[in-house]
Amino acid sequence: DAGVIQSPRHEVTEMGQEVTLRCKPISGHNSLFWYRQTMMRGLELLIYFNNNVPIDDSGMPEDRFSAKMPNASFSTLKIQPSEPRDSAVYFCASSLTSGSSTDTQYFGPGTRLTVL
Amino acid sequence: GDSVTQMEGPVTLSEEAFLTINCTYTATGYPSLFWYVQYPGEGLQLLLKATKADDKGSNKGFEATYRKETTSFHLEKGSVQVSDSAVYFCASYSGSARQLTFGSGTQLTVLP
Repeated sequence: DAGVIQSPRHEVTEMGQEVTLRCKPISGHNSLFWYRQTMMRGLELLIYFNNNVPIDDSGMPEDRFSAKMPNASFSTLKIQPSEPRDSAVYFCASSLTSGSSTDTQYFGPGTRLTVL
Repeated sequence: GDSVTQMEGPVTLSEEAFLTINCTYTATGYPSLFWYVQYPGEGLQLLLKATKADDKGSNKGFEATYRKETTSFHLEKGSVQVSDSAVYFCASYSGSARQLTFGSGTQLTVLP
């Protein structure tokens, strides 16, 4: 299996621009998670989906952030407009099910976002 | 809410030294506990896990025992290698939180 795939791996953009991050979960996995990692705040869960439905988006920082999962094999995280404080590494992860404490989350390689 | 506290880094050891990274948790009920490892430039990978009290998770020479009485899940390895240099994250998953709660991560550097 190819694992969780994220694109792009690196993104450099200017303040005010729209940024779209993409994720393809492992085939057959029903849950998908978006995380943000920064030095100051560590790993933060932004949102997670179960069977393509957003379950908990309480970690989404503000209205500039939105996430979609139109089908079981694709999700996007969009930031519009982007700000320098959004600079971070964004990880996507997937797991077989949700709600099971024994499930392992499999992480993608991350997208390093720099907003100038 | 749930929380995970792990020892501050960075930790620097010589090759073949003994490693301990402390981790304690606060959670409602009986969470599952995990150690994830992040190598430079990569995403997190599951290292080991334990789902109930007194369980021992082990992988690649690393071990951690779920201690309910001390709410701890310390990571140990008897003899570290240069290739173990990475950031290690302790995490918990409880039915009440319904999400992984991560510690702040501990940077380990192993010198030859």
